[in-house]
Amino acid sequence: DTEVTQTPKHLVMGMTNKKSLKCEQHMGHRAMYWYKQKAKKPPELMFVYSYEKLSINESVPSRFSPECPNSSLLNLHLHALQPEDSALYLCASSSYRGGSYEQYFGPGTRLTVT
Amino acid sequence: GENVEQHPSTLSVQEGDSAVIKCTYSDSASNYFPWYKQELGKGPQLIIDIRSNVGEKKDQRIAVTLNKTAKHFSLHITETQPEDSAVYFCAERAGGYQKVTFGTGTKLQVIP
Repeated sequence: DTEVTQTPKHLVMGMTNKKSLKCEQHMGHRAMYWYKQKAKKPPELMFVYSYEKLSINESVPSRFSPECPNSSLLNLHLHALQPEDSALYLCASSSYRGGSYEQYFGPGTRLTVT
Repeated sequence: GENVEQHPSTLSVQEGDSAVIKCTYSDSASNYFPWYKQELGKGPQLIIDIRSNVGEKKDQRIAVTLNKTAKHFSLHITETQPEDSAVYFCAERAGGYQKVTFGTGTKLQVIP
């Protein structure tokens, strides 16, 4: 099983709403990632969790709050977002093999902030 | 890794022809170079990768070459098919560091 799943597929939220994105993998990977992707742009790294601990935060605004409850799950809590936060949010996980990390991406959650 | 330049930004080829996408990186410590294919409405999919101790790697119709001296690496797709149409991203990573730096992407269109 080389699948990373993400829910929901689509999300529309107002600027005062609180919502959460969920990501799950059962490949035994101990590193998990959140990326943001705007249209026609490459993915931009937001957060990295390694062994359930936050290891990288790419200076992401505090209205995005990640959480890693266990080695298979990754959440992204959203609060007071802005319209410019509308994007595709991608989750990924990776294994360390042969001296490098191979990342597997989920299908993403398409977020629209109104 | 820091910057990764990718060219061309768009590429149209006839079915059966070859396609080549080129990337240039700047960090001498980069030692892992994956390529991702992203189809419309989907997440990026790892299609091939190469490590810095190898100059070339091939997997069926896909090959990647690496020139560490010039800091260039390229993706070659032979006998292109319509299902190869997608956006392709090169990327690089330094050492065991977890952060991947992506290129700007190439939209490949294979015309039947």
